Amino acid sequence: DSGVTQTPKHLITATGQRVTLRCSPRSGDLSVYWYQQSLDQGLQFLIQYYNGEERAKGNILERFSAQQFPDLHSELNLSSLELGDSALYFCASSPGPGPDTQYFGPGTRLTVL
Amino acid sequence: AQSVTQLGSHVSVSEGALVLLRCNYSSSVPPYLFWYVQYPNQGLQLLLKYTSAATLVKGINGFEAEFKKSETSFHLTKPSAHMSDAAEYFCAVSWMDSSYKLIFGSGTRLLVRP
Repeated sequence: DSGVTQTPKHLITATGQRVTLRCSPRSGDLSVYWYQQSLDQGLQFLIQYYNGEERAKGNILERFSAQQFPDLHSELNLSSLELGDSALYFCASSPGPGPDTQYFGPGTRLTVL
Repeated sequence: AQSVTQLGSHVSVSEGALVLLRCNYSSSVPPYLFWYVQYPNQGLQLLLKYTSAATLVKGINGFEAEFKKSETSFHLTKPSAHMSDAAEYFCAVSWMDSSYKLIFGSGTRLLVRP
């Protein structure tokens, strides 16, 4: 158990819908990273927050957005969903903004039908 | 641009045999290197990491990796494979910029034959 929690574990929805994925980092960690794992793209970095502020963006679609709240939990919002958005979405947390170990949550499996 | 290449999408070894999973990186700045393992239907677990200290890094479950700058490699080894080592292994690189985001290789699935 990494100490990072993600909800829900599974999500099945239809094209065009909007979903919210939630992540609670390890106690004391200030950085949250979001990654997407799909069969065709592999593991890709989406976005990072540090202590409530967006710190870096990767290959995140404009239909996707995220935020980190004062209690440090984070949410990833996916809208206008397409079939190709079906993937495993991982959240990871680390103590600071540096090269610390990132601890991964169990992931949310999103299926878009 | 920084990148990671893992040679071999599948590696099959016999139980008790040497495990060697290959990882090469491309980085214009000193990298931080990681190996993660993913068991079926689970998240990623850190095996070991290189952060510019000793070039031979020992990790959990008997795994180790050696950072070779001249070869831009960070191969993962284990002297004797166990059935429980069957999983997918990911090499990742990060570097000093504004984020330390992880760039992952495509992964290598390790199969252990009895």
